[in-house]
Amino acid sequence: QQPVQSPQAVILREGEDAVINCSSSKALYSVHWYRQKHGEAPVFLMILLKGGEQKGHDKISASFNEKKQQSSLYLTASQLSYSGTYFCGTEIRYGNKLVFGAGTILRVKS
Amino acid sequence: DTGVSQDPRHKITKRGQNVTFRCDPISEHNRLYWYRQTLGQGPEFLTYFQNEAQLEKSRLLSDRFSAERPKGSFSTLEIQRTEQGDSAMYLCASSFRGDTQYFGPGTRLTVL
Repeated sequence: QQPVQSPQAVILREGEDAVINCSSSKALYSVHWYRQKHGEAPVFLMILLKGGEQKGHDKISASFNEKKQQSSLYLTASQLSYSGTYFCGTEIRYGNKLVFGAGTILRVKS
Repeated sequence: DTGVSQDPRHKITKRGQNVTFRCDPISEHNRLYWYRQTLGQGPEFLTYFQNEAQLEKSRLLSDRFSAERPKGSFSTLEIQRTEQGDSAMYLCASSFRGDTQYFGPGTRLTVL
């Protein structure tokens, strides 16, 4: 089943913060976050693993609540380049397919 | 590291025609995944390979779709007798074992 993302869309001004949530009804092994700009491929941002390990880069952070099967992506001091659609992809075991949410559209205005 | 490449980037075809897409993964990656994405939705899993073995195929995938990865390197996705509902972006991703999946630029298919 597809994970549920919220909000569906958010508009920010530069420098503001945002939180994007991803919730699954299944027990997860990991949650992967991607950002996709219009007409481009999804770009990997971060992976959160069961057990708390977190792998990623850039100035973006995330959390994974294993009890609730929920993940949140935190974007702080947003920049114009953060604009795009953010997808969470969930994985029920290592190396399996990713099941993606419908996405959260983020628009950062100057 | 040249990234995942896909060819062609765009394909326009008439209903009923067959089309084939190619994906070249990152060279040391042994897993290759195909996804389909329609407007306003996240990528939807189609199938994946470990080396040349096809390990899983989506139940949503009709018999008109077939994928191969003959030598464990590049992969092809063929759609036979295309329908207008097949219009979508077809994304390929690769990973080393089951680690992070890196996506290619996609092939946008339009069926007229």
